Amino acid sequence: GQQVMQIPQYQHVQEGEDFTTYCNSSTTLSNIQWYKQRPGGHPVFLIQLVKSGEVKKQKRLTFQFGEAKKNSSLHITATQTTDVGTYFCAGRYNDYKLSFGAGTTVTVRA
Amino acid sequence: NAGVTQTPKFRILKIGQSMTLQCTQDMNHNYMYWYRQDPGMGLKLIYYSVGAGITDKGEVPNGYNVSRSTTEDFPLRLELAAPSQTSVYFCASNHLGPAETQYFGPGTRLLVL
Repeated sequence: GQQVMQIPQYQHVQEGEDFTTYCNSSTTLSNIQWYKQRPGGHPVFLIQLVKSGEVKKQKRLTFQFGEAKKNSSLHITATQTTDVGTYFCAGRYNDYKLSFGAGTTVTVRA
Repeated sequence: NAGVTQTPKFRILKIGQSMTLQCTQDMNHNYMYWYRQDPGMGLKLIYYSVGAGITDKGEVPNGYNVSRSTTEDFPLRLELAAPSQTSVYFCASNHLGPAETQYFGPGTRLLVL
């Protein structure tokens, strides 16, 4: 079936360092979304990418959508303690449903 | 706007009991979804609806039922609770279009003993 794979599952980062989380699909996506879930909270929408090769930035977060629209990445620079949480990618194929990746759980060492 | 609201926040059920998880949205969204999230895992789609009177199964529908009599409400019914249904349940809604953000409710934490 259509599903989105996300790696790594866990990311332990020293405060101030950068990290990247990756998502891959075996088939072409119509768009991909990214969500952040704080511990004990609910997923909160961050961004949506639609176009092939699209790059969007939100302060220290950079989101990319691959040329083939099968992969995406989230890169965070200069990690802060406020970045703690789980980051999910969610891919949409040609229907109403989102396929969520398993998430990357980020912890930060001060 | 309250957004997406869910009740209850937390519930303990005994095996074989039934309950309904409530979900309401006030954003006039046509599309609504129920997900479950097991500890340390991603979100799995249980059921979804594209409008009042229309529902369809997601990845993991067994043991659950839904209805959508109004645009605002999308309750999830557990008929015979099993320990495998211990999870956090999230309801979400969205429009479909250029900005199709899914808005999530705060979740219902369910423990089946």
